[in-house]
Parts: sequence; structure tokens; C-alpha cells
Amino acid sequence: EIVLTQSPGTLSLSPGERATLSCRASQSISSYYLAWYQHKPGQAPRLLIYGASSRATDIPDRFSGSGSGTDFTLTISRLEPEDFAVYYCQHYINSPRRYTFGQGTNLEIK
Amino acid sequence: EVQLVQSGAEVKKPGESLKISCEGSGYNFNDYWIGWVRQMPGRGLEWMGVIYPDDSDTRYSPSLQGQFTISADKSINTVYLQWSSLKASDTAMYYCVRSKNYFDSWGQGTLVTVSS
Repeated sequence: EIVLTQSPGTLSLSPGERATLSCRASQSISSYYLAWYQHKPGQAPRLLIYGASSRATDIPDRFSGSGSGTDFTLTISRLEPEDFAVYYCQHYINSPRRYTFGQGTNLEIK
Repeated sequence: EVQLVQSGAEVKKPGESLKISCEGSGYNFNDYWIGWVRQMPGRGLEWMGVIYPDDSDTRYSPSLQGQFTISADKSINTVYLQWSSLKASDTAMYYCVRSKNYFDSWGQGTLVTVSS
């Protein structure tokens, strides 16, 4: 079973700063099957990145994803006030069909 | 526009049964897997299982299998999540999700509260 470990657990930054969020897999995975989500209180989560680096529809270009093997990164180039939320990485296995989430990173305003 | 619309919040007692729903629209419902993701209070997101509405092929999270049932009625573009005997630990927000390698569309969530 692949385990995704996100770090840090909480990240305190100010608007305008750069955020770097990490997602580490317990074994090498295909970047094709790695996605990132944003989750704000009272809202449904939103897909940000799929295939490790492809932005979903209507996602601003300040969000970018990178990585391969076991180490993946979500970068927010310049934080806007609406970016403060919890972020999750997620992995998919095709056979048997299964999805796994990381435990999340809480991005909070400093 | 792809939409997943879930049934409303529920308050139940331990031991009661419950079935919540998720209706899809704006796309060919039978062409995509639909899954369920839960968030227990103060916890992260957890994948529960997924169904292919066209033939009802269903897969469950190994750690959660047996605790609930996922079903579908493709004639009305609806997927269900049901429990035969709720426990307090089933208290959570439940989201239905259109499932590819990732979840590209989410329902608005159904809050289930189980309390005596």
C-alpha cells in the first residue's frame, strides 16, 4: 500500500509570499497518477493539479505542480488571500482501482 | 456544466439505516466512475469506494469495506451510499466525486450526524 506523507503539517505565510508544499510517496509512483486539491472550510474540495503538473480548468497560473518518483511539490508563486486553505495530494492505482490521500497541509495566514 | 448534486443533511441515531444520494448531470453519466470521499470531524479526506454506473462494478477501500454499500441507478443518473446500521463514528461530511485518475468534479457534500 502506498502512503502519501505531506509536509509541513501547517505552513504560516503572508499574502504575496511563495508557498512550497511537499508530498512524499512511500514508494516510487507514476506522476501521471498524482493530483492536488484545495479545500476551504464550508466548501467542497477543488481539483488544482492532475498528472503532477497539469493545471485543472480555471486554476490560476500561480499554482504549479512538479516532481517525480517519490517527491512531488505544489508551489503557489504569490499567495493571494483566497489561497489560505488545506491542501491534499492524492494518488491513484489502476489495478486494483484505489485512491489514497495525503494527510493534508494547512496553509494559514501569518 | 458537470454537476453532482447530493441529498441533504441527515441526523440519525445509532443503529438506524440511511441512504444518501448523488445525482449527476451535464455529462454522460454512464461513462465515468463515481466515488465517495468522507471527512470525519477534524480529519482529512478519505476515499471510501467507487462505482461504474453502467454496469454497477464497485470497488471499496480495503480498510473500510463492509461498513457501507455503494449502488447506482443509471436510469436516473444517481449513485447511492447506504448504511444498514449507523454508528457514531459514521458522523462525517460525505462527498460524491466524478472519478478519473483524480476527482475532477465534487458534489456539495452531505453532512451525516449520528448521535443518540
